[in-house]
Amino acid sequence: EVQLVESGGGLAQPGGSLRLSCAASGFIFSTYNMNWVRQAPGKGLQWISYIGSATNDIYYANSVRGRFTVSRDNAKNSLYLQMSSLRDEDTALYYCATYSSGSLDHWGQGTLVTVSS
Amino acid sequence: DIQMTQSPSSVSASVGDRVTITCRASQGVSSWLAWYQQKPGKAPKLLIYATSILQGGVPSRFSGSGSGTDFTLTISSLQPEDSGTYYCQQANSFPYTFGQGTELAIK
Repeated sequence: EVQLVESGGGLAQPGGSLRLSCAASGFIFSTYNMNWVRQAPGKGLQWISYIGSATNDIYYANSVRGRFTVSRDNAKNSLYLQMSSLRDEDTALYYCATYSSGSLDHWGQGTLVTVSS
Repeated sequence: DIQMTQSPSSVSASVGDRVTITCRASQGVSSWLAWYQQKPGKAPKLLIYATSILQGGVPSRFSGSGSGTDFTLTISSLQPEDSGTYYCQQANSFPYTFGQGTELAIK
């Protein structure tokens, strides 16, 4: 069974940093492209980043480019999101998700990031 | 960026009704269109990918159609467990984008 477990969320100050992790199990992580998606409280879904299976392809939403960095460690079956220069509007539940055939087919339960002074 | 616009924003229907949600892209996305269902406090669940392919385990009352810029999610006979928020998403080009969501309530 595919499992994705996000961690690392919490309270951060504006301008601060956080590193999110996503631990994967139940599938061959090294062969899957991965994504991060976030959802602000009471709002819709926003895709924020994609990383290819071999880290050769990386993409970001305009709103986070230059501030967030996605990475992965296939040996540890883990996906990461380094977030810096955090803003109030980055407050959201952050999900990791696998990519397949143009869709996000498996999702974790999310980790909550709150940016506030 | 490709903008995805869903309509309606909310809908209320009775058990057994046929429900249709539409999604329009600001430019063509070929067939790279997926639909998700999200229930309160839960992660989104993939229903349909590549416009019309039903994800495994999803009831056959769900179907998808369309191409280019106009897409449709249809629930042929609404069930109580179908309440929630539905999102479309394009994966034709980066940045991937989602529609704003359609809230479906059961009367």
